[in-house]
Amino acid sequence: SQTIHQWPATLVQPVGSPLSLECTVEGTSNPNLYWYRQAAGRGLQLLFYSVGIGQISSEVPQNLSASRPQDRQFILSSKKLLLSDSGFYLCAWSGTGGSQPQHFGDGTRLSIL
Amino acid sequence: KQEVTQIPAALSVPEGENLVLNCSFTDSAIYNLQWFRQDPGKGLTSLLLIQSSQREQTSGRLNASLDKSSGRSTLYIAASQPGDSATYLCAVSDDYKLSFGAGTTVTVRA
Repeated sequence: SQTIHQWPATLVQPVGSPLSLECTVEGTSNPNLYWYRQAAGRGLQLLFYSVGIGQISSEVPQNLSASRPQDRQFILSSKKLLLSDSGFYLCAWSGTGGSQPQHFGDGTRLSIL
Repeated sequence: KQEVTQIPAALSVPEGENLVLNCSFTDSAIYNLQWFRQDPGKGLTSLLLIQSSQREQTSGRLNASLDKSSGRSTLYIAASQPGDSATYLCAVSDDYKLSFGAGTTVTVRA
């Protein structure tokens, strides 16, 4: 069966520090991969998605970037964190082709001080 | 831009009562609609997915209906239990992108 792993589970970072969140998927090949953010009191917002290695699409202009160095690995990064980057970050995967369900990881709670 | 609304924002019921959660969306050109459950501080668990060509899906005590033309979906949970307490999110898909509602937080009182 397929599983998705995210780490770390929680992270406290100072303003201006770099960020790297990692997500890996097991049990499937060539998945579509997604990063979402859930800010306090707001719904989930799609940040990035990827349909293959090195292929990244950005949904929202921001202080963050994403990379997909391997088929089942998706990384969310920032060079300098802002207070507004605080939130709950969720990685998800789906099969290729239209109309596939998305499956989510357990998330990373990011607090910026 | 797709807008997804969930009403009510919160719901409290006694154990054993049936739950009815509503979701509406503005653009009917969707691929599918998914219902998720989110426990506090946790990720999302997929409950049901309804393809755009379907009218409903069932899994155990859960039944979800979809009326694409009117932009509405309803999630029914029969004979609620305290373990059903969580936030329920609906999301509509335009192929790769999910647009989420803000969720309905459900409390089932023992």
